[in-house]
Amino acid sequence: DAGVIQSPRHEVTEMGQEVTLRCKPISGHDYLFWYRQTMMRGLELLIYFNNNVPIDDSGMPEDRFSAKMPNASFSTLKIQPSEPRDSAVYFCASSLLIYEQYFGPGTRLTVT
Amino acid sequence: KQEVTQIPAALSVPEGENLVLNCSFTDSAIYNLQWFRQDPGKGLTSLLLIQSSQREQTSGRLNASLDKSSGRSTLYIAASQPGDSATYLCAVLYGNNRLAFGKGNQVVVIP
Repeated sequence: DAGVIQSPRHEVTEMGQEVTLRCKPISGHDYLFWYRQTMMRGLELLIYFNNNVPIDDSGMPEDRFSAKMPNASFSTLKIQPSEPRDSAVYFCASSLLIYEQYFGPGTRLTVT
Repeated sequence: KQEVTQIPAALSVPEGENLVLNCSFTDSAIYNLQWFRQDPGKGLTSLLLIQSSQREQTSGRLNASLDKSSGRSTLYIAASQPGDSATYLCAVLYGNNRLAFGKGNQVVVIP
């Protein structure tokens, strides 16, 4: 398996623009997680899905953030409108049941 | 709320020395504990996973112990090498399938 795939790897955008991050989990995994990593706060869970259904979105910072999982092999995290404080590395991870999580390479987002 | 602390934040050791990295967590009701490695600008690579019922896990030069009752885990890396230079992250799975991370131990192994 190719592992968790994320795109794009780097994204630079201007404040106010819409940003869409994409993730393809490992085939057969039933959990998908979105994390954000910053120097100040470390790694934080934003939202996770089980069998394509959002289970816990309490980590989503505000209404500008939304996530979807239309099928078992694809998820998106959208920020609209983006702000400079959203600059971070966003990771997607997947797991089978509640066990070991496998992380993607991340998307480095810079909002100017 | 589960809080995970890793001390020290950064350390340097000469090549060949054993590395000892510490992790503590506030709520002992965990499902498992995972140690990850992160290289600069890269994603996370899982090193070891210890289930809550286990006391330790070993993989090659790596050994991780878990004392759930005291909320502590230790990662040992034997005979460190320059290639071990990276940030090591500890994470606990707890509550409603949430993974809480420490901020990491940044390790430099000096040749």
